Amino acid sequence: IAGITQAPTSQILAAGRRMTLRCTQDMRHNAMYWYRQDLGLGLRLIHYSNTAGTTGKGEVPDGYSVSRANTDDFPLTLASAVPSQTSVYFCASSDAGTSGSDTQYFGPGTRLTVL
Amino acid sequence: GEDVEQSLFLSVREGDSSVINCTYTDSSSTYLYWYKQEPGAGLQLLTYIFSNMDMKQDQRLTVLLNKKDKHLSLRIADTQTGDSAIYFCAEGYQAGTALIFGKGTTLSVSS
Repeated sequence: IAGITQAPTSQILAAGRRMTLRCTQDMRHNAMYWYRQDLGLGLRLIHYSNTAGTTGKGEVPDGYSVSRANTDDFPLTLASAVPSQTSVYFCASSDAGTSGSDTQYFGPGTRLTVL
Repeated sequence: GEDVEQSLFLSVREGDSSVINCTYTDSSSTYLYWYKQEPGAGLQLLTYIFSNMDMKQDQRLTVLLNKKDKHLSLRIADTQTGDSAIYFCAEGYQAGTALIFGKGTTLSVSS
């Protein structure tokens, strides 16, 4: 069982380009999340999805979009990347509402640099 | 709004105990979590405690919760160099909502 996989591992991107970060989980978790981690700011929620077909905005959603066509995949798209989106991006999932603890499990992260 | 505060750095010697502290503001938090992040890696769940518990012990890890003061601590007994990492405290209060993370405490263990 792989858990959560993210791709790519790292990426350097020119400003203005479109980029999709991929996230796949094989735990059949109903909830999925995207966070960004920046030095001195900790982890901040970008978007989340409680179940396939639904998404919601987190603390810092501007410039990002997500979709949840099925249970396993939760891609994050930057429509037109800007340097302030340089960060490490973590995808997470949880078995929200069924396991009780709503423990979130994290992927290994994608390091994105926008020049 | 919700806020989770942690001290930024802690330095200990190998074999000593480490205590990482965290305060939170949302009294309706249901679960409180400790995650560990090693350099270049994702977050690894260490342990969690339900808000109606005072203490939870798991091998070298002891979590203490003071709900009155909204204070959470993680004690690592017999700290090893492999424990060097960033430790994040997080609170969750409703299934299906995102966790609120502190900014992380960097633990440095010297031999």
